[in-house]
Amino acid sequence: GESVGLHLPTLSVQEGDNSIINCAYSNSASDYFIWYKQESGKGPQFIIDIRSNMDKRQGQRVTVLLNKTVKHLSLQIAATQPGDSAVYFCAENISSGGSQGNLIFGKGTKLSVKP
Amino acid sequence: KAGVTQTPRYLIKTRGQQVTLSCSPISGHRSVSWYQQTPGQGLQFLFEYFSETQRNKGNFPGRFSGRQFSNSRSEMNVSTLELGDSALYLCASSSRAGLTGNTIYFGEGSWLTVV
Repeated sequence: GESVGLHLPTLSVQEGDNSIINCAYSNSASDYFIWYKQESGKGPQFIIDIRSNMDKRQGQRVTVLLNKTVKHLSLQIAATQPGDSAVYFCAENISSGGSQGNLIFGKGTKLSVKP
Repeated sequence: KAGVTQTPRYLIKTRGQQVTLSCSPISGHRSVSWYQQTPGQGLQFLFEYFSETQRNKGNFPGRFSGRQFSNSRSEMNVSTLELGDSALYLCASSSRAGLTGNTIYFGEGSWLTVV
């Protein structure tokens, strides 16, 4: 598949290790945050989301942490697997104006899992 | 149920031509958003539609337009194509507009190459 993410920050981890991907968001008014995974040649796949009234949310093998004080979001992947190799994007949403389809995306981080 | 479906998946156009891309949202979803993804600019919001009305528009020239039909299917059009319009165009759908926290799902995208 074609790549849409060049010159991205890269995180390389060993299979079985935990991965932490960080994201700084831009607007203190953002009230909803989403992590997406994008594999080569595919569209972004929803992983997990969190609202601004929470600071932590857990899914299956993934945890999202939100620190509104420093406008920082992180995605933790437990027991990283080769299938987790992809580009990961954080996205923020500002609900003002009634538009929730307007996501502001980060630049992305490429996760490479070594077997 | 079926995910977000985009057609065509790949297309090549010549500068100056126009192109129409189609998106069928997840059944029951009424909000459709479009994004452009390029290596240099990442994922950028184009516009959002809900109930056949454009709810929000990103910072793109007027050559980029869209519409939504009564069955929630959406099309976007780019007129007078430029080389810089080469990108992956992504459609996303969610159940409701105007409220944050509704999961936004993406299609696989339409790869447009302008030569």
